[in-house]
Amino acid sequence: GDSVTQMEGPVTLSEEAFLTINCTYTATGYPSLFWYVQYPGEGLQLLLKATKADDKGSNKGFEATYRKETTSFHLEKGSVQVSDSAVYFCALSESSSNFGNEKLTFGTGTRLTIIP
Amino acid sequence: NAGVTQTPKFRVLKTGQSMTLLCAQDMNHEYMYWYRQDPGMGLRLIHYSVGEGTTAKGEVPDGYNVSRLKKQNFLLGLESAAPSQTSVYFCASCRLAGGPEQFFGPGTRLTVL
Repeated sequence: GDSVTQMEGPVTLSEEAFLTINCTYTATGYPSLFWYVQYPGEGLQLLLKATKADDKGSNKGFEATYRKETTSFHLEKGSVQVSDSAVYFCALSESSSNFGNEKLTFGTGTRLTIIP
Repeated sequence: NAGVTQTPKFRVLKTGQSMTLLCAQDMNHEYMYWYRQDPGMGLRLIHYSVGEGTTAKGEVPDGYNVSRLKKQNFLLGLESAAPSQTSVYFCASCRLAGGPEQFFGPGTRLTVL
């Protein structure tokens, strides 16, 4: 079945450092890929997404590129801020022509802490 | 527009007690989902619904039941709570033909003693 493997945390960085959180996936078809972010005490929010190979998703300075050849969707940000401290989840949804199958498979999450 | 709301936010149960978690969405979404979040395990799908009156099992359905009597509401029931059901529960919804992006509620933290 489908699966998502992401970098184990926790990750602690200094403000303005470069961030990479690795994510690789296994899927039988052509999935859509997502990064969700969970701030303390809140639910998950979509951060960015990519629906086909070579697509780059971006939002709030974060980027991730859908790499089919390496089955990866690594999250990057050039200069992190304290406000980026959160848990980040990589997820995939199998593409299906049969609507009703939009289920997400999540990675285990990576806790990121940014220190001033 | 409140999005996805969950009731209650916190609950403590004793083993064997029952309870119902309520999820409501005001975005007219067709699909709704219940997940549980446990440390080191990410989110796991319990049950989901593709429309009013329909439900289906997810990855970890045992010990839970659900109902979707109205399009905007999705209820998760625990008939006889067990300590293994201590978790944070998230509800999500998704729009038909809107792509697989899901919108999440704030969560319910449940402790079973």
